[in-house]
Amino acid sequence: EPEVTQTPSHQVTQMGQEVILRCVPISNHLYFYWYRQILGQKVEFLVSFYNNEISEKSEIFDDQFSVERPDGSNFTLKIRSTKLEDSAMYFCASKQLNNEKLFFGSGTQLSVL
Amino acid sequence: QQQVKQSPQSLIVQKGGISIINCAYENTAFDYFPWYQQFPGKGPALLIAIRPDVSEKKEGRFTISFNKSAKQFSLHIMDSQPGDSATYFCAASMKRLTGGGNKLTFGTGTQLKVEL
Repeated sequence: EPEVTQTPSHQVTQMGQEVILRCVPISNHLYFYWYRQILGQKVEFLVSFYNNEISEKSEIFDDQFSVERPDGSNFTLKIRSTKLEDSAMYFCASKQLNNEKLFFGSGTQLSVL
Repeated sequence: QQQVKQSPQSLIVQKGGISIINCAYENTAFDYFPWYQQFPGKGPALLIAIRPDVSEKKEGRFTISFNKSAKQFSLHIMDSQPGDSATYFCAASMKRLTGGGNKLTFGTGTQLKVEL
């Protein structure tokens, strides 16, 4: 089965630094998402992206966050100035048009020190 | 209104038994209810999903029961196996009128352990 690929699997950064999390969605998918999961808690929606623009974002997705699809295959999440509370597992997901099935990557564990 | 409440938080079942996880929602605009299975270190994977026009959906050992009037739905795992030990999340979404795909609102998760 095709997979959503995320890199890196682990990222450690200092508070205040910028990080970029990378994702390669499944090739024929048109909707892209970022979710996060703080240790032991539920999975939370951050942002959805369709047709080269943000279609919806949550309250968590403030001005420190941005997403980009720089080319035909990658989808990135940038956190401009990381905070301790940004430490979480970040999941990229994608889906096809007219199909509810959402495919998740294995995640990037972000640790902000 | 956007919340999905899930119980229990953890569950221990003997091999061969039935595992039951329950979820409740408030927002009647939700029209898609998936269950996700997550193993440690992995992303959630879709297990089974239901729409509110049916009361039950079965796929192999997994069944969703849906009660629209009570705004509740549950996952039943028949003949539970040690390999079913994972965290299970219910979720819900609603159709957007415009723009991109539907965001999922997840429940808080249930850690299932199936013992031999």
